Amino acid sequence: QVQLVQSGSELTKPGASVKVSCKASGYTFTTHAMNWVRQAPGQGLEWMGWINTNTGNPTYAQGFTGRYVFSLDTSVTTAYLQISSLKAEDTAVYYCARGHGYGDFDYWGQGTPVTVSS
Amino acid sequence: EIVLTQSPGTLSLSPGERATLSCRASQRISSTYLAWYQQRPGQAPRLLIYDASSRATGIPDRFSGSGSGTDFTLTINRLEPEDLGVYYCQQYSSSPRTFGQGTKVEIK
Repeated sequence: QVQLVQSGSELTKPGASVKVSCKASGYTFTTHAMNWVRQAPGQGLEWMGWINTNTGNPTYAQGFTGRYVFSLDTSVTTAYLQISSLKAEDTAVYYCARGHGYGDFDYWGQGTPVTVSS
Repeated sequence: EIVLTQSPGTLSLSPGERATLSCRASQRISSTYLAWYQQRPGQAPRLLIYDASSRATGIPDRFSGSGSGTDFTLTINRLEPEDLGVYYCQQYSSSPRTFGQGTKVEIK
């Protein structure tokens, strides 16, 4: 069965970096895009962008350029989200979500809480 | 950017009742590229409906989606206690993909 298993919660300081992993299993990794979605505390869902798992080409939504990097290691069927120069407002749960069809998301990771606090 | 506005903000219903959730888009959504997700408390979102009216794998037929253009509806028949949570619509007609702000469903 399809599974996306994300790395554990992170507690980090302003200015630091964090790298969240999303391990995929149960399907051919390179046949579905991987998306990233942010959910700030008590807030809704915000699409951050996606990465083409076949070519490795990332696309970032407006507001998620510069400090955010999507990457892959296809040898271990894992997608990564790295955020640098962390700010308090980066505190959120970050989800990976598999692309389905044209642009909806059919499987989601369990979420990785990232807390940025001094 | 397409803005999705969901209503009502909160829906409080009893088990067995029908829930009707609305999602209105600021621009026409082409090819019915609209999805609905359920997020139970403390859990990740789950895909319910895609392409406006197609049920995702394993979703019971109590859930149905309809609509086109700018107005879409998610209907939940015979509400069950496990249906509590927040429901989001999402469009994938254009980039960036956007979500509505959510409708919270409470079970009395």
